Amino acid sequence: DIQMTQSPSSLSASVGDRVTITCRASQGIRNDLGWYQQKPGKAPKRLIYAASRLQSGVPSRFSGSGSGTEFTLTISSLQPEDFATYYCLEHNSYPRITFGQGTRLEIK
Amino acid sequence: EVQLLESGGGLVQPGGSLRLSCAASGFTFSSHSMSWVRQPPGKGLEWVSSIIGSGDTTYYADSVKGRFTISRDISKNTLYLQLKSLRAEDTAVYYCAKPADDYWGQGTLVTVSS
Repeated sequence: DIQMTQSPSSLSASVGDRVTITCRASQGIRNDLGWYQQKPGKAPKRLIYAASRLQSGVPSRFSGSGSGTEFTLTISSLQPEDFATYYCLEHNSYPRITFGQGTRLEIK
Repeated sequence: EVQLLESGGGLVQPGGSLRLSCAASGFTFSSHSMSWVRQPPGKGLEWVSSIIGSGDTTYYADSVKGRFTISRDISKNTLYLQLKSLRAEDTAVYYCAKPADDYWGQGTLVTVSS
């Protein structure tokens, strides 16, 4: 089974900051990875698919990169509405899928 | 507009059973694989099960294999998850989802407690 290691587990930042979240796969998964944002009491919402493609309607301050085993989500300039929990999700072995452990992004 | 509407959650005793339903609309349900994903209170997301095609092929996480059964009724555009031999660690919000297209329901809470 593929394991996804996401870091950090939590992060404190200020509005306007640039932040980076990383996911590492236990084996190569090509670019079969998405990034999701989840706010309390809500379903996850996809921001990035195919590792680096921006989901329609998602602000351009969000970007993804990586391939194989190392992936990164970057928020270039944090906005108040960005404080949430973020997850990576691999689907290389679809229909078996694996989430990262999550990164809680908090206001400093 | 795509909609996934879960129902069937509730409070159940350890060892008990429950059936979750997910009514789908706005897309061709029969043509798409579907999944269940759960999230324990205050914790991360966990894939539970997926079903492919008309329902002949199913997949389960090791944590639920042998206890949960995924199925679908194409005539009713409804996905099901039968939960048996429930444990306290199965307590979670259960989401019906098609992650490939970013389709998610609102979730239904299952609480396993005596």
